[in-house]
Amino acid sequence: NAGVTQTPKFQVLKTGQSMTLQCAQDMNHNSMYWYRQDPGMGLRLIYYSASEGTTDKGEVPNGYNVSRLNKREFSLRLESAAPSQTSVYFCASSAVTLNSYEQYFGPGTRLTVT
Amino acid sequence: RKEVEQDPGPFNVPEGATVAFNCTYSNSASQSFFWYRQDCRKEPKLLMSVYSSGNEDGRFTAQLNRASQYISLLIRDSKLSDSATYLCRLRGGGKLIFGQGTELSVKP
Repeated sequence: NAGVTQTPKFQVLKTGQSMTLQCAQDMNHNSMYWYRQDPGMGLRLIYYSASEGTTDKGEVPNGYNVSRLNKREFSLRLESAAPSQTSVYFCASSAVTLNSYEQYFGPGTRLTVT
Repeated sequence: RKEVEQDPGPFNVPEGATVAFNCTYSNSASQSFFWYRQDCRKEPKLLMSVYSSGNEDGRFTAQLNRASQYISLLIRDSKLSDSATYLCRLRGGGKLIFGQGTELSVKP
C-alpha cells in the first residue's frame, strides 16, 4: 500500500519554464490537496479538489493550475515558473474535505527555480 | 493576529524531560484539531487528533482549551527520536490551516 506518491522528487527549472507535478493516492480518498512549504511560512494550501471533477483555489493559487484527472490522481502545473515558486510541494489526500478526517501526505517535490 | 500561531522554538530538552507546546488560534469557531509531526525534509505525518475532552496516546497527551483558544501537546519521557517539528492543524473559517510548527530537539 503506497499511500500518496509524488513525482518527481527533485526538479530544477529555469525562469519561464513549465512543468507538471504528479500526485496519486491509492486509499480511495475523495479529497486531494496541493501545499507548498517555505521556511518560516508553514504549509500553505495552493489548490484542493473535494471530489473527482471539482477543484478550488486555496490560499496561494496564483501561478498554478491543477487537474483532477480521476479519483486517484491530482496534478499541479506551473505554466511559467518564477524564482518565488522555489519551494517544497506536498500533495495530500483525505477521506472527507475540510472535515475531521486526517490528511495523508506524499513525500514532497523539492523545486528550485533559477 | 495570525489565524494560527506556534512558537517556532527550538525547544532543546534533555532525554527523559517533559515538554509541552501550544498552538493558539484566532477563530473561536475553529474545529477539527490535529497534531502532525514532521521530520527534517520529510512529509508531515499525523501524530494524533485533539478531542474536546483531551486524549492520550502513550507518552503524548493532547488537549483543547476552547475558552483560551489553544490546543496543547505534552510529551512525557522525551526520547531522542522525538526530535522533529510539530505542526498543529485546524479547520477555521471554512479553511484547513496549519501552524508554522514548533521545533523540538531532544539531547542525550
